[in-house]
Amino acid sequence: ETGVTQSPTHLIKTRGQQVTLRCSSQSGHNTVSWYQQALGQGPQFIFQYYREEENGRGNFPPRFSGLQFPNYSSELNVNALELDDSALYLCASSPVGQLYGYTFGSGTRLTVV
Amino acid sequence: AQSVTQPDIHITVSEGASLELRCNYSYGATPYLFWYVQSPGQGLQLLLKYFSGDTLVQGIKGFEAEFKRSQSSFNLRKPSVHWSDAAEYFCALGGNQFYFGTGTSLTVIP
Repeated sequence: ETGVTQSPTHLIKTRGQQVTLRCSSQSGHNTVSWYQQALGQGPQFIFQYYREEENGRGNFPPRFSGLQFPNYSSELNVNALELDDSALYLCASSPVGQLYGYTFGSGTRLTVV
Repeated sequence: AQSVTQPDIHITVSEGASLELRCNYSYGATPYLFWYVQSPGQGLQLLLKYFSGDTLVQGIKGFEAEFKRSQSSFNLRKPSVHWSDAAEYFCALGGNQFYFGTGTSLTVIP
């Protein structure tokens, strides 16, 4: 049973719109990372948050942004959606002291039309 | 540059047969290596991980992997495959940021 919950599970947006994806982690999971998984590809690192501060970023433009909240939830925001943003977005969190012991959520499937 | 290569895009095996999924990595220091499994519509489940020590790592569901530094490989094995093992398998090079391979899709024939 996963300790990471993502919402919504599926989402359809129009090109140019903005979207917010949400992730809820277990208590004590103070590190959260977001990944983009395009169809037929492996997940690609977007960014990581640690104690509510961005702690690393992959090769994604600034229109991808995030927030982490004190209650161990987090958000991924994408502005000016493009067709290529269609993908499965995965959230992964890790508890304090468990080196790289990430738990992944089931993801949000975003389709941009 | 860090990277992971999974040479086999798709593998088909018969139920009960042995399985080996290949993974090669590129990294200048001692790597942290992982294998994840992903069922359709699901997130990633950790099968096993290698940080240091014994190069043969045991994981869940009867999987094991062997780290070979000389070959820059971390191949996943299972002695006898079950139909429920059909899924997508990802090898990853980890740290704060994970680098995933493109995955190997496993089909199990009854």
